[in-house]
Amino acid sequence: EVQLVESGGGLVKPGGSLRLSCAASGFTFSTYSMNWVRQAPGKGLEWVSSISSRSTYIYYADSVKGRFTISRDNAKNSLFLQMNSLRAEDTAVYYCARVPQDQWLELDYWGQGTLVTVSS
Amino acid sequence: QSVLTQPPSASGTPGQRVTMSCSGSNSNIGSNYVYWYQQLPGTAPKLLIYRNNQRPSGVPDRFSGSKSGTSASLAISGLRSEDEADYYCAAWDDSLSGVFGGGTKLTVL
Repeated sequence: EVQLVESGGGLVKPGGSLRLSCAASGFTFSTYSMNWVRQAPGKGLEWVSSISSRSTYIYYADSVKGRFTISRDNAKNSLFLQMNSLRAEDTAVYYCARVPQDQWLELDYWGQGTLVTVSS
Repeated sequence: QSVLTQPPSASGTPGQRVTMSCSGSNSNIGSNYVYWYQQLPGTAPKLLIYRNNQRPSGVPDRFSGSKSGTSASLAISGLRSEDEADYYCAAWDDSLSGVFGGGTKLTVL
């Protein structure tokens, strides 16, 4: 069974940093591209970042470019999102999601999400 | 403001057919696949339609997707109470970014 479990969310002050993790199981993680998608409270979905299976291709939303870094460790079946210089508008539930066939927005499995709250 | 435009709400009665639209541009819907996601209250989104009009296994054929030019539509026939959810369209953009619509909240009356 495919499972994606996010962790690392929490309360952080503006300007602070946080590292999110997504533990993958039930599939060959190293052969799939992955995404982070976020959802602010009561708002819609926002694509954050994508990374290919071997980290060859990496893309970011303009809203996080230069502040967030996506990475992965295929040996540990894990996806990461390093978030620096956090702002109030980064407050959201962050989901990791699997890309089954290298069509970046085709997300067939999602985690349950982890909440990031940026507040003083 | 979302790159893809969706009506904020839609409604229908059980058994009815409802449609919801998603409008984009040449750089996203016009040149890439459209995806639809269903998000039930308090849960993670679920892939409902992929590559414009394909249903993942397990998705009832009551759900259908279409695309024409820079717009796409999701249709739900035989509306059921459990279809009450938020629906999002999404597409890759040629600027190498992902774009979502603002979502349509479907109410089953």
